[in-house]
Amino acid sequence: AQSVSQHNHHVILSEAASLELGCNYSYGGTVNLFWYVQYPGQHLQLLLKYFSGDPLVKGIKGFEAEFIKSKFSFNLRKPSVQWSDTAEYFCAHKLIFGAGTRLAVHP
Amino acid sequence: DGGITQSPKYLFRKEGQNVTLSCEQNLNHDAMYWYRQDPGQGLRLIYYSQIVNDFQKGDIAEGYSVSREKKESFPLTVTSAQKNPTAFYLCASSRDRGASGTNVLTFGAGSRLTVL
Repeated sequence: AQSVSQHNHHVILSEAASLELGCNYSYGGTVNLFWYVQYPGQHLQLLLKYFSGDPLVKGIKGFEAEFIKSKFSFNLRKPSVQWSDTAEYFCAHKLIFGAGTRLAVHP
Repeated sequence: DGGITQSPKYLFRKEGQNVTLSCEQNLNHDAMYWYRQDPGQGLRLIYYSQIVNDFQKGDIAEGYSVSREKKESFPLTVTSAQKNPTAFYLCASSRDRGASGTNVLTFGAGSRLTVL
């Protein structure tokens, strides 16, 4: 069965720190990768997606993700986090979601 | 505004009772989905429907049932056969049909079911 693994369940950072959230997926033919974000009190929403082409994908709010085929990875990055980035982040491959990573950013 | 409406937001039921969660969308999306969200387990797919009067089981369909009589509506029934029904349930939709996995999901606010 296909699966998605997120390495960190909880991450705590100070503002301006750099962020990298790990995501690995099991092989499943074509690659359809997503990062979704759930801000406190809000609906889950799309952050970015990758289907093909440039493996470095840019999303909303300064987030980016890099697809590395050889590692089956799709890690999410942001050079400098803000307090408003506090949220839960979910990696997904097709319709399969990871367990999520709760990010808390302290001022 | 277009979106997905889930109701009720909170629901309490006694053990052994069936309960139906409502999901309505006005996005004119073809496909609709139900996920279950548990702490530390992420979202798990229960059922999805690509077209009216058709639906497929997801990874954890046992103890659940769905119907898709209208394009806008995809209700989920949590039956008494579901062994651990207390959870947060999320409904989603996508413009594109098909299980190819390219579908970007739009989510509702969720329904929290607690079985006493």
